[in-house]
Amino acid sequence: QSVLTQPPSVSAAPGQKATISCSGSSSNIGNNFVSWYQQLPGTAPKLLIYDNTKRPSGIPDRFSGSKSGTSTTLGITGLQTGDEADYYCGTWDNSLSAWVFGGGTKLTVL
Amino acid sequence: EVQLVESGGGLVQPGGSLRLSCAASGFTFSAYSMNWVRQAPGKGLEWISHISSSSRSIYFADSVKGRFTISRDNAKNSLFLQLNSLRDEDTAVYYCTTGKVGGTLDYWGQGTLVTVSS
Repeated sequence: QSVLTQPPSVSAAPGQKATISCSGSSSNIGNNFVSWYQQLPGTAPKLLIYDNTKRPSGIPDRFSGSKSGTSTTLGITGLQTGDEADYYCGTWDNSLSAWVFGGGTKLTVL
Repeated sequence: EVQLVESGGGLVQPGGSLRLSCAASGFTFSAYSMNWVRQAPGKGLEWISHISSSSRSIYFADSVKGRFTISRDNAKNSLFLQLNSLRDEDTAVYYCTTGKVGGTLDYWGQGTLVTVSS
């Protein structure tokens, strides 16, 4: 079982919006920055969102992050078939002294 | 351009050992904390170990504590992971990443596959 909880799958139509939730506790999300990672099929994970809401250079503004208390959400607007991937939330856990991830969410654009 | 290139993976029998390496370029390696993250076939991401820029702070996941060792050579821009007493459940792709405690796992390598099987 993952320390952070994500839905296993999310689906939405092309051009629409998808949201992926990630919940944790005060020892992780509640007191640390959260990041999101995109893993396209057969490739290594890539940083998508950092410090809860910031996008690295080169990441389109269709991707957004938000955080409230011990939960965080990734939003993707204007969905494209190329967005089909696994998405992971991650952060540091102060009690475990460890990085923790969500179990991953498979996004299907249909 | 930041590059992280892992090597050293392969097939090893249960109880065996392996040493993974990660060659870094395109950034000041000695100033960055580093991590190892693994992904078992068809499964999610699992953080394994962290080492600070000076090697002063080191952390391990409970699943590998006492069996794996992390180290770095700042003069050679290299990160290492020594895997001992390997088990079937250690079979995974192992990624090296940059990232400090409480920060972000900014950059990832392409990974190296470790298969533990008799």
